[in-house]
Amino acid sequence: DADVTQTPRNRITKTGKRIMLECSQTKGHDRMYWYRQDPGLGLRLIYYSFDVKDINKGEISDGYSVSRQAQAKFSLSLESAIPNQTALYFCATWDRVKSEQFFGPGTRLTVL
Amino acid sequence: AQSVTQPDIHITVSEGASLELRCNYSYGATPYLFWYVQSPGQGLQLLLKYFSGDTLVQGIKGFEAEFKRSQSSFNLRKPSVHWSDAAEYFCAVSPYNQGGKLIFGQGTELSVKP
Repeated sequence: DADVTQTPRNRITKTGKRIMLECSQTKGHDRMYWYRQDPGLGLRLIYYSFDVKDINKGEISDGYSVSRQAQAKFSLSLESAIPNQTALYFCATWDRVKSEQFFGPGTRLTVL
Repeated sequence: AQSVTQPDIHITVSEGASLELRCNYSYGATPYLFWYVQSPGQGLQLLLKYFSGDTLVQGIKGFEAEFKRSQSSFNLRKPSVHWSDAAEYFCAVSPYNQGGKLIFGQGTELSVKP
């Protein structure tokens, strides 16, 4: 079945380290998104990309960067991780025909 | 600015009882509206969506939601809750011309008593 996958699923790192979270999709969708989930805050949009050459900041982009290496791949980087970036991170795609968002399984990141 | 409010952080219902989860949004026009469910340790699964037309929409797992324009609400309902419905539920909106940029509510955690 077509899918959205994220690696790693869990990561523990230290303050100041550079971290990359990867997302791949086999759905053939051109639009991809990164969200973070914090308890009591729901999901908030970090970055989104409508195609390989179109990348946009979301609500909470400070401290993050992204790379859209191909239509199927969208990576999120934390250049210098800090403890308040501890969260659950979701990658998602958007089906423009169905107007539906499909989520990956999430990456749980802990910054010590 | 657009926003979504889920007033209830945590709800507990007995198995077999009815359920209503509230969602209110703030937006100038009718957005796309969604309800997602997140089971413990899992990703998000779409329960149902509303774009236009009939204001009562049916979703998976026996859920339904009603769009009320006058109240800017999109409440989720289920007539009889099962223990497997225990999860966190998120309401989300997307402006119709910004497909995919979802704005989420804070979530409502549902517990089910035997």
